[in-house]
Amino acid sequence: RKEVEQDPGPFNVPEGATVAFNCTYSNSASQSFFWYRQDCRKEPKLLMSVYSSGNEDGRFTAQLNRASQYISLLIRDSKLSDSATYLCVVTNTGTASKLTFGTGTRLQVTL
Amino acid sequence: EADIYQTPRYLVIGTGKKITLECSQTMGHDKMYWYQQDPGMELHLIHYSYGVNSTEKGDLSSESTVSRIRTEHFPLTLESARPSHTSQYLCASSSKGGANVLTFGAGSRLTVL
Repeated sequence: RKEVEQDPGPFNVPEGATVAFNCTYSNSASQSFFWYRQDCRKEPKLLMSVYSSGNEDGRFTAQLNRASQYISLLIRDSKLSDSATYLCVVTNTGTASKLTFGTGTRLQVTL
Repeated sequence: EADIYQTPRYLVIGTGKKITLECSQTMGHDKMYWYQQDPGMELHLIHYSYGVNSTEKGDLSSESTVSRIRTEHFPLTLESARPSHTSQYLCASSSKGGANVLTFGAGSRLTVL
């Protein structure tokens, strides 16, 4: 089983739709959680950190469920420019400097 | 405006050649990383460094080597390139402390013929 698992998609949604991605992690001692965004043939860029209490940044909401070991990303009012691959990233105890990336979930927003 | 620079961006080279991929960052970050990513696949950590004269192998075995003689510089070297080394190589850095937020370079896309 992979340490971090994501549905690869693609998720094809119309503009204005709300879409949610989940990511599960296997190590219950995982400490830090992030969502990164990667455009085609570009480098990943931090979208947002995920805090225990959940956090929001504009149209984006991230949540953490430690009991079930998953994090989620909700995108409201999807824009064409949201089309990208969204990477779930987890940092584990004892390897605090090493981040484990999921394979990513591809989102395609259409007209 | 990039704070972490990778060169070359694209390299096509023949089998058996020695190559060095350069990575420099101007943020004063202590931690630096090299990831390998094939198209449509996840990133795999191949090397990392906590600071000058510190280098560690990552989760994915790699025939490449790295060095960290200066804080800002973390080059990756392949002594004898092979077609199996064809991939995208992404350099990243992060600051000391608990945030572990990575800043990535634009990547070096290597093709070995």
